[in-house]
Amino acid sequence: DIQMTQSPSSLSTSVGDRVTITCRASQSISTYLNWYQQKPGKAPELLIHAASRLQSGVPSRFSGSGSGTDYTLTINSLQPEDVATYYCQQSYSTPYSFGQGTKVDIK
Amino acid sequence: QVQLVQSGAEVKKPGASVKVSCRSSGYTFTSYDVNWVRQATGQGLEWMGWMNPNSGNTGYAQKFQGRVTMTRNTSISTAYMELSGLTSEDTAVYYCARAPTVPTGHYYYMDVWGKGTTITVSS
Repeated sequence: DIQMTQSPSSLSTSVGDRVTITCRASQSISTYLNWYQQKPGKAPELLIHAASRLQSGVPSRFSGSGSGTDYTLTINSLQPEDVATYYCQQSYSTPYSFGQGTKVDIK
Repeated sequence: QVQLVQSGAEVKKPGASVKVSCRSSGYTFTSYDVNWVRQATGQGLEWMGWMNPNSGNTGYAQKFQGRVTMTRNTSISTAYMELSGLTSEDTAVYYCARAPTVPTGHYYYMDVWGKGTTITVSS
């Protein structure tokens, strides 16, 4: 099974700051990497698939990049509504494992 | 609009089984896989498996093999996830999520999620 490791596990930053979350796979996953946002008490929502393809309706301040084993989610100019936990997920092979999540908060 | 509506919360005794339903609307049910993901309180997301509603084919995470069964009723556009042999460690919110059915080698992702069903296992 492929293990997904996110860092950091949590962060607290200011409105308008740039946020970077990293996700590392235990083996190459060839950009079969999705990012989800989960707000408290809500179901997850898809932000990005195929490592860098923005889901329809997602603000352009969100972007993804990476290849091989290392991937990044970037939020440019953090907004109050971005307070959430962010999860990466690999869809290279089953079981489609998730990272442990990164909780983003506002200072 | 496109949505997945899940059945309500349940409380079960250890050793029992639970069957959660996930009714789709706003799209062609048989054109998208249904995945199931669970989340224990305060914990991360755990993928359980997938089902192709057109063929009925399924794939389960090894952890749940032998305990989980994913089925569907295409006449009412509804998917089901049944989990047996419940223990307190199965207490969680269970989500269904659709994923475009794609050939092997194509990108796979869950683009619409249900609101979740809380299953509590307690004696």
